[in-house]
Amino acid sequence: KQEVTQIPAALSVPEGENLVLNCSFTDSAIYNLQWFRQDPGKGLTSLLLIQSSQREQTSGRLNASLDKSSGRSTLYIAASQPGDSATYLCAVARSGNTPLVFGKGTRLSVIA
Amino acid sequence: GAGVSQSPSNKVTEKGKDVELRCDPISGHTALYWYRQSLGQGLEFLIYFQGNSAPDKSGLPSDRFSAERTGGSVSTLTIQRTQQEDSAVYLCASSLVPVEAFFGQGTRLTVV
Repeated sequence: KQEVTQIPAALSVPEGENLVLNCSFTDSAIYNLQWFRQDPGKGLTSLLLIQSSQREQTSGRLNASLDKSSGRSTLYIAASQPGDSATYLCAVARSGNTPLVFGKGTRLSVIA
Repeated sequence: GAGVSQSPSNKVTEKGKDVELRCDPISGHTALYWYRQSLGQGLEFLIYFQGNSAPDKSGLPSDRFSAERTGGSVSTLTIQRTQQEDSAVYLCASSLVPVEAFFGQGTRLTVV
């Protein structure tokens, strides 16, 4: 059974810092990995999708990497801003038509 | 519509009553997922619909939970004889397999 772990559970940084959020998964036979953002009381917003054949994806200040063989992904946020404060969730899919398995998320606070 | 729409956004019900939660996926998306998020917990998979295939019901916690998807579009999640432990945010997502999943804003269910 696939298990997804996110470390740390919570993180507080001053504005402007670069930071890394970690995601690990127990079964490396994944189809894709997706990073989401969740604001309090809201649904999930998709940030980046990495297919299993890819090593990384970038969108603006966000960069996600994938090392499938070691079961790890990182989300790098450059020049953090208070508006980045949210919970970040990592999820993996075993195949193209199976549901996503989620980690419990990292709650990020960026202090102005 | 432009995104996944869920209704109602909030629902308070008395223990023992039945509730129906609705999800309107993005037009043309063939896959639809229901997840549950309890306070302080990660996302728990409930049920997955993909095209005309039989749904994956492996995540439904009890036989009080059921879901249907009519015409390959709108989905309804029904909880019968609600219990206090059913209180959670119920999230729906859709995707055009095998690409990224998009989530609705969720329905916050409170059983009193």
